[in-house]
Amino acid sequence: RKEVEQDPGPFNVPEGATVAFNCTYSNSASQSFFWYRQDCRKEPKLLMSVYSSGNEDGRFTAQLNRASQYISLLIRDSKLSDSATYLCVVNPLSGSARQLTFGSGTQLTVLP
Amino acid sequence: NAGVTQTPKFQVLKTGQSMTLQCAQDMNHEYMSWYRQDPGMGLRLIHYSVGAGITDQGEVPNGYNVSRSTTEDFPLRLLSAAPSQTSVYFCASSYQGSGELFFGEGSRLTVL
Repeated sequence: RKEVEQDPGPFNVPEGATVAFNCTYSNSASQSFFWYRQDCRKEPKLLMSVYSSGNEDGRFTAQLNRASQYISLLIRDSKLSDSATYLCVVNPLSGSARQLTFGSGTQLTVLP
Repeated sequence: NAGVTQTPKFQVLKTGQSMTLQCAQDMNHEYMSWYRQDPGMGLRLIHYSVGAGITDQGEVPNGYNVSRSTTEDFPLRLLSAAPSQTSVYFCASSYQGSGELFFGEGSRLTVL
């Protein structure tokens, strides 16, 4: 089993739709969690951290479910500019980037 | 704001050739790292450094060397290129090894 697993997609949704991605992780001791966004042929960029209590940033909501060992990303009112690959990142150690494990990404295409 | 700068952006090598990928950051980050990204594999850590003079191996270090003589620079050397090293390489840095990584634009390497 991979340490971090994501549905590769692609997810093709119409503009304005709500879409959600899940990411499962195998290490129950994992400490911190992140969602990164990667545009085609570009570098990954941090989208948001995922806190135990969940967090929201505009149209984006991230949640953590420790019992079931998954994190989720919800995008509301999808825009064409949301088209990208979303990478789930898990860190079993707090404050040590050495242990960061990246999922292989979920591809989202928002259609006009 | 330059952030993380990688050169070259594209390179084609023949099997057995050596080369160096350059990485520089101007954010005074202690932590720097090199990843490779292959289709369906996610980002995999090659080498990392927690400060000048300190380097360590990541998940896939074979065939690569690094050094960290200054806080700003973290070059990656391919000793004898192999077709299996065809990939996209990303340099990243972060403040004190946090999960918020800042990536360079990537270097696309093809080994024939």
